[in-house]
Amino acid sequence: AQKITQTQPGMFVQEKEAVTLDCTYDTSDPSYGLFWYKQPSSGEMIFLIYQGSYDQQNATEGRYSLNFQKARKSANLVISASQLGDSAMYFCAMREGGDSNYQLIWGAGTKLIIKP
Amino acid sequence: SAVISQKPSRDICQRGTSLTIQCQVDSQVTMMFWYRQQPGQSLTLIATANQGSEATYESGFVIDKFPISRPNLTFSTLTVSNMSPEDSSIYLCSVEEMEGQPQHFGDGTRLSIL
Repeated sequence: AQKITQTQPGMFVQEKEAVTLDCTYDTSDPSYGLFWYKQPSSGEMIFLIYQGSYDQQNATEGRYSLNFQKARKSANLVISASQLGDSAMYFCAMREGGDSNYQLIWGAGTKLIIKP
Repeated sequence: SAVISQKPSRDICQRGTSLTIQCQVDSQVTMMFWYRQQPGQSLTLIATANQGSEATYESGFVIDKFPISRPNLTFSTLTVSNMSPEDSSIYLCSVEEMEGQPQHFGDGTRLSIL
């Protein structure tokens, strides 16, 4: 079974609208972390936001927020007021266990295109 | 977060040749990693670059094909040896500045083999 599932291969969104990118995960470990990365067409991988399994509040970083629903095992990325520069691939990733486990499990990614 | 410089940013190589990719960090970091991203795919971890010792390779990757060096806490190289068209990918280095911190990535090396 897939440990990280991103069900949207591609999305088109109008500029200035909010965007929600879906990510569901599967783990039996009570301690885990969830990450979102952005990869523009140029290829670099940019860290956006992190949510720990024990965090009480949803993570936020500027226009990015994480809608963390632990019971549903979902960690959706919300981008407010989308911009043309948000067009990119977005990857959800998970790290299971304690901090000493560096292994990231990656989703297949969602290609987001912002329309002017 | 650390500034990570990766060189070259892209290259086109002939099959059978080798290419060395460099990753330089502006601060000492505990963990450095090398990833491969094949076209249209997600990331796959090649190995963990260990300072002063042999890299730790993931299943499916071997030292003869992907030799890695890490002479100090700020620098690492990945060599892609005896390249074939199947090696055409983006290769990325990443660092974890402290245990448990998010990994940060270099800009990647886009490699095409003819």
